[in-house]
Amino acid sequence: NAGVMQNPRHLVRRRGQEARLRCSPMKGHSHVYWYRQLPEEGLKFMVYLQKENIIDESGMPKERFSAEFPKEGPSILRIQQVVRGDSAAYFCASSPRAGGPSETQYFGPGTRLLVL
Amino acid sequence: GENVEQHPSTLSVQEGDSAVIKCTYSDSASNYFPWYKQELGKRPQLIIDIRSNVGEKKDQRIAVTLNKTAKHFSLHITETQPEDSAVYFCAAWSAYSGAGSYQLTFGKGTKLSVIP
Repeated sequence: NAGVMQNPRHLVRRRGQEARLRCSPMKGHSHVYWYRQLPEEGLKFMVYLQKENIIDESGMPKERFSAEFPKEGPSILRIQQVVRGDSAAYFCASSPRAGGPSETQYFGPGTRLLVL
Repeated sequence: GENVEQHPSTLSVQEGDSAVIKCTYSDSASNYFPWYKQELGKRPQLIIDIRSNVGEKKDQRIAVTLNKTAKHFSLHITETQPEDSAVYFCAAWSAYSGAGSYQLTFGKGTKLSVIP
């Protein structure tokens, strides 16, 4: 059973470009969470999604950031018009359908975004 | 919302000694407390978790204790080995304000160094 997959693993963008980060949850998992980790800091919750639904986006910046989890395909975290402050590691995690949100979250390897 | 404080931020121990990391949380409704280990450049990996219906859980050299009254929980690593060196994060899960929304709130992490 493959773990949580994320791609790309590293992404370099210039200011003003768009960044698209992808996350494929573990097989059988329908809950996806996105976190941001700044250097030397902990993980900050951004958004929680189920298939075709955004359940909680209270941790997402109000502008430039969006997330989706379509019926088919990976979850996408999209950052428009990136700025240097967006440079961070972005992790997604998934949890099983049956257990609900309080079940163990399994993390992907992360995407390290560098904005020049 | 939930607030998780973690101490210490750095911890150095001699190989074979014990290490203790402590976390406090603010939301009395929180009922799930996982601990993650993150090696440099790697994904956070769950090492142990505890739910609010138990006070202690042990898995080989790792144990976690929970005091719901005081709202704190601790990670104990005995007989430390150099491969235990990593950053450890505690987290607390609670329902966030708003229908059907949930968040894991992480502490800022403890960098553990085990000196051979």
